[in-house]
Amino acid sequence: AQRVTQPEKLLSVFKGAPVELKCNYSYSGSPELFWYVQYSRQRLQLLLRHISRESIKGFTADLNKGETSFHLKKPFAQEEDSAMYYCALSGQQGGSEKLVFGKGTKLTVNP
Amino acid sequence: EPEVTQTPSHQVTQMGQEVILRCVPISNHLYFYWYRQILGQKVEFLVSFYNNEISEKSEIFDDQFSVERPDGSNFTLKIRSTKLEDSAMYFCASSGLRSTGELFFGEGSRLTVL
Repeated sequence: AQRVTQPEKLLSVFKGAPVELKCNYSYSGSPELFWYVQYSRQRLQLLLRHISRESIKGFTADLNKGETSFHLKKPFAQEEDSAMYYCALSGQQGGSEKLVFGKGTKLTVNP
Repeated sequence: EPEVTQTPSHQVTQMGQEVILRCVPISNHLYFYWYRQILGQKVEFLVSFYNNEISEKSEIFDDQFSVERPDGSNFTLKIRSTKLEDSAMYFCASSGLRSTGELFFGEGSRLTVL
């Protein structure tokens, strides 16, 4: 069964501090992992995907297959990073992009 | 920049009534999805649609639910006889021809069943 776990419902840091949002997954095959973000009053949007290995808005995430983790990190948090963050997994069954989401972590970056 | 649009933004209905939620996906996208999020819970997959048919559906998507692409632009979700537990935010999403892993979401339609 596909499952995504985000253990922290809420995470609060000060501006300039490092931040790490945890994500663990369960999937028997070779998954694709994503981080989606939802800023206040905005729609859910893709932040980054493990396949592209890129840094977006200073965020990075490394897929660790041994630990089945895909933690999201940023060395210096900014106030505008405050948002709801969702880790998601795709098993790409049937060619469609069915995503399994975690429950989300609400990040608050304080001034 | 093209966006997925959803209507209505909020609908209140009585239990047992039929509800249709509408979505206009991004015009050159070929995969369409409905997800829902009950308050305080995770975003859950309902159904995916490709080439005018359902390609995958979840256990939640029972006989009370149906989807349709009636005119080549709209993508609708119908709930035949709403229950209290159908109260949720319903998100439509679409993705392009090649599988990139990026879904483009609408802003959601909040359904309240009384």
